[in-house]
Amino acid sequence: EIVMTQTPATLSVSPGEGATLSCRASQSVSSNLAWFQQKPGQAPRLLIFGTSTRATGVPARFSGSGSGTEFTLTISSLQSEDFAVYYCQQYNNWPRTFGQGTKVEIK
Amino acid sequence: EVQVVESGGGLVQPGGSLRLSCAASGFTVSSNYMSWVRQAAGKGLEWVSVTYSGDTTYYADSVKGRFTISRDSSKNTLYLQMNSLRAEDTAVYYCVRDQNVWGQGTMVTVSS
Repeated sequence: EIVMTQTPATLSVSPGEGATLSCRASQSVSSNLAWFQQKPGQAPRLLIFGTSTRATGVPARFSGSGSGTEFTLTISSLQSEDFAVYYCQQYNNWPRTFGQGTKVEIK
Repeated sequence: EVQVVESGGGLVQPGGSLRLSCAASGFTVSSNYMSWVRQAAGKGLEWVSVTYSGDTTYYADSVKGRFTISRDSSKNTLYLQMNSLRAEDTAVYYCVRDQNVWGQGTMVTVSS
């Protein structure tokens, strides 16, 4: 199975600052990479699919990039509602696999 | 409104069985990728199983041979039959349509 590795595990950011989250795949997943956001006590929410396409209703401050094995989620200016855990997931191969998550916390 | 609602979770002894249900509204389960994803307390997301295009199914290695995913088109409902349950199966189980519609989850606890 493809192993997804996210870095860092925790990112401390001040509101208004930008954040860059990384996700690496153990083998190429082409562009079949999604990002999810999860807040405490809530189900995950799809943010990005196809590496860089924002899901419906996702603000433009969220952007995704990369291909193959290296991917990035960028949040351009963090708002209070953005502090959460973010997961990447590859959907190029079975079984689908998630990264272990990056927690974005208030600095 | 497009939504999914899980049910069927609960407390079960190791080695026992449980069937989870996922009632869909606003769309047809037989026309979409329908998955189960689980999350143990304080842990990350773990993909469990998917069904699509009729009877195509895939499973995580950790549940293969013990869990069975299925759909009932007449009830527009997705199921996850879980047998030979282990303590490590304890988690919140989410039903997911494609990647963008998630239920609120149902808690499964495997403990004696």
